[in-house]
Amino acid sequence: SSELTQDPAVSVALGQTVRITCQGDSLRTYYASWYQLKTGQAPLLVIYGKNNRPSGIPDRFSGSRSGNTASLTITGAQAEDEADYYCNCRDSSGRIFGTGTKVTVL
Amino acid sequence: EVQLVESGGGLVQPGGSLRLSCAASGFTVGNNYMSWVRQGPGKGLEWVSVIYAGGSIYHADSVQGRFTISRDNSKNTLYLQMNSLRAEDTAVYYCAREQWTADDYYFDFWGRGTLVTVSS
Repeated sequence: SSELTQDPAVSVALGQTVRITCQGDSLRTYYASWYQLKTGQAPLLVIYGKNNRPSGIPDRFSGSRSGNTASLTITGAQAEDEADYYCNCRDSSGRIFGTGTKVTVL
Repeated sequence: EVQLVESGGGLVQPGGSLRLSCAASGFTVGNNYMSWVRQGPGKGLEWVSVIYAGGSIYHADSVQGRFTISRDNSKNTLYLQMNSLRAEDTAVYYCAREQWTADDYYFDFWGRGTLVTVSS
């Protein structure tokens, strides 16, 4: 089955912009969705489709895709954005998640 | 308000069984695609099983033949029956609702998860 590869960790200064990438062959065909995970909380959908935000997700979160790479951008990162982020996509064998990126807000 | 609440986790010996439940409110389980997703200690998210609105079910290769997803429409509850458990099944198990469009799908609501520990 396909894989989705993410950088293990990134850091961003408070108020600055950070981009998290997700690479995989399935992304050439399908859009990624992005999830925020914080310890003890339910995972939270932050971006889906071409660039859609669920109700309640701040507009500093945005998504894009180019070739086999999907990106999640946080513009003006806040302290509460510190979390693990996972991309997700479908492929021929089912549903696959990325390897995850830990975002630290400095 | 949509809510998903998992229960049934705990400590079980290798080779044992456990049944997880996911009680839903704010929508009808039987009219939606519902999945189980897990996260092992220090690991990433792994999709486990899905049940479609029409009743079709699919499982990841890692649990095929050991786990079974099901639902009880009268109780608006999703289940995961886990048999022949292994140490590598230790994880927090989440239930999640799927949404599908013409172009893609995504998990729009998740529960907080229930911890399963497989150890002797």
